[in-house]
Amino acid sequence: AQSVTQPDIHITVSEGASLELRCNYSYGATPYLFWYVQSPGQGLQLLLKYFSGDTLVQGIKGFEAEFKRSQSSFNLRKPSVHWSDAAEYFCAVGSSGTYKYIFGTGTRLKVLA
Amino acid sequence: EPEVTQTPSHQVTQMGQEVILRCVPISNHLYFYWYRQILGQKVEFLVSFYNNEISEKSEIFDDQFSVERPDGSNFTLKIRSTKLEDSAMYFCASKQGFVHSPLHFGNGTRLTVT
Repeated sequence: AQSVTQPDIHITVSEGASLELRCNYSYGATPYLFWYVQSPGQGLQLLLKYFSGDTLVQGIKGFEAEFKRSQSSFNLRKPSVHWSDAAEYFCAVGSSGTYKYIFGTGTRLKVLA
Repeated sequence: EPEVTQTPSHQVTQMGQEVILRCVPISNHLYFYWYRQILGQKVEFLVSFYNNEISEKSEIFDDQFSVERPDGSNFTLKIRSTKLEDSAMYFCASKQGFVHSPLHFGNGTRLTVT
């Protein structure tokens, strides 16, 4: 069955520290991978996407993610976190075999000043 | 930048009542979606809509739910007889015609069933 796993429910980092949020997927077909960010009471904003080509993709707000097929992972990274990055982050997966996009359970990021 | 708009932002209704949630997707998008998020929980797929018909739906999307694109711009989700467990944030999303296109989300409608 198709699934997306975000192992970390909560992560706390200090402002200026680096960040890595984990995402693992299980998909039968070639996956299309996305990271979204959700601020409280808001919709989901696309940070970045991957469907082919260079496995390291750059997104908005200084985020990047790396697709590793061998590990079925698509981890999100940021070299230096800002207080405004505090939000919930969702990994999502789609594929050519389905119309739906499946979302992970989310990782809530807290940033300490 | 074009965006998906949803109305109302908050809807309160009594159990058993019908509600219609409205969405205006991005104008050149071809695929339309509804997702829901129960407070503090995951974002769940409800239904996708393409070429004026449902292309895929989840097990949550039972006979109480329906979708419609009544004109060239609106996309609606109707819940015929609301239950307490329908209380959630409902997100509309749309995407372009490519299989790998990302979803663009509205800000959601918070539905509270009392």
